[in-house]
Amino acid sequence: KAGVTQTPRYLIKTRGQQVTLSCSPISGHRSVSWYQQTPGQGLQFLFEYFSETQRNKGNFPGRFSGRQFSNSRSEMNVSTLELGDSALYLCASSLSHSVRSYEQYFGPGTRLTVT
Amino acid sequence: AQSVTQLGSHVSVSEGALVLLRCNYSSSVPPYLFWYVQYPNQGLQLLLKYTSAATLVKGINGFEAEFKKSETSFHLTKPSAHMSDAAEYFCAVDKLIFGTGTRLQVFP
Repeated sequence: KAGVTQTPRYLIKTRGQQVTLSCSPISGHRSVSWYQQTPGQGLQFLFEYFSETQRNKGNFPGRFSGRQFSNSRSEMNVSTLELGDSALYLCASSLSHSVRSYEQYFGPGTRLTVT
Repeated sequence: AQSVTQLGSHVSVSEGALVLLRCNYSSSVPPYLFWYVQYPNQGLQLLLKYTSAATLVKGINGFEAEFKKSETSFHLTKPSAHMSDAAEYFCAVDKLIFGTGTRLQVFP
């Protein structure tokens, strides 16, 4: 079974631009979560989608948004990029959003650099 | 609300020595707890998880963790470190909430 895939793997953008990252979950997984990983901050939860609906949201500004499609693929968008948005963005999938005991399966991440 | 604290952002051990990575949690309901490992340039992968079936949980690569409710802890251990264990380790509570990570270095 194929794992979680994320595209692109690396991205360089300029301050003020916007960016869209893509995530394809494991087949059969309907929950997709997004995380921002930076040195010293660990993984900070952005949001979780299930059945095309945002189910949980972290404490990030409105510049960060996401969506999920009917095939469970998900995208996240960051508008008006700031230098502090440089990070590794990880996507994870799991079977369901509502079961707290379900583990997550992570993709390799997209490394975003904002200059 | 749930939260998790990992004590020590960096841990260094010699090859063959005991590995102990500390994790304390806070949860208003019985928690589900996870340990994940991240190797360089990769995503996270599950090492083990606690779902209340047993307090001592065995995972992959010889790692295990013990749930101690009285101490609100879920520390990760391995009796003998291997060079290949060098990575970053994350503790998580209830699927979505992660700690800040502990980077494990293993010296020969």
